[in-house]
Amino acid sequence: NAGVTQTPKFQVLKTGQSMTLQCAQDMNHNSMYWYRQDPGMGLRLIYYSASEGTTDKGEVPNGYNVSRLNKREFSLRLESAAPSQTSVYFCASTGGAQAGTDTQYFGPGTRLTVL
Amino acid sequence: QKEVEQDPGPLSVPEGAIVSLNCTYSNSAFQYFMWYRQYSRKGPELLMYTYSSGNKEDGRFTAQVDKSSKYISLFIRDSQPSDSATYLCAMVSFGNEKLTFGTGTRLTIIP
Repeated sequence: NAGVTQTPKFQVLKTGQSMTLQCAQDMNHNSMYWYRQDPGMGLRLIYYSASEGTTDKGEVPNGYNVSRLNKREFSLRLESAAPSQTSVYFCASTGGAQAGTDTQYFGPGTRLTVL
Repeated sequence: QKEVEQDPGPLSVPEGAIVSLNCTYSNSAFQYFMWYRQYSRKGPELLMYTYSSGNKEDGRFTAQVDKSSKYISLFIRDSQPSDSATYLCAMVSFGNEKLTFGTGTRLTIIP
């Protein structure tokens, strides 16, 4: 039981390049989330998916797209990376009926630098 | 004004001291309150969860909620060097799937 896994762990991009951050969970959870964490800003929600086939915007969705490929996997895509997207990205999942109040399990993070 | 305010610290205390970490919030709809602990270069993990005003104790940790003042606290007794981490408060309103996090307080326990 690996919990929530994220790939890659580190990535350096040049401005304008694209990439996809991968997330998978093996806990049979319904809801999955993508956050970014920046100094002094805390965790900010980018997108979330309440169930397979559904996605919704969070607080800071601009510049990102997501795909809920199946129940296990939730990917985050940067189509044209910008230096402002330099951050640590966390994926999380939760499985209860009250998704907002149940424990969110976080992955180890992806550290992204955009030059 | 942010919905959730949290002093970012850093906070350094000697081993064995009592630590108090705090958050204030402005949204009266928040009903569920959590504390997450995040070690350096790791993802956050849930430490405490409460939904009512008053105190909830778990070992050396006590979570306190005062809904009338829109103020929550986490107390750590007999602090240990292993408690050194960033502590994030989080809260959510009933039926909402999106947590709102504080910015986190970086805590160092000095041996």
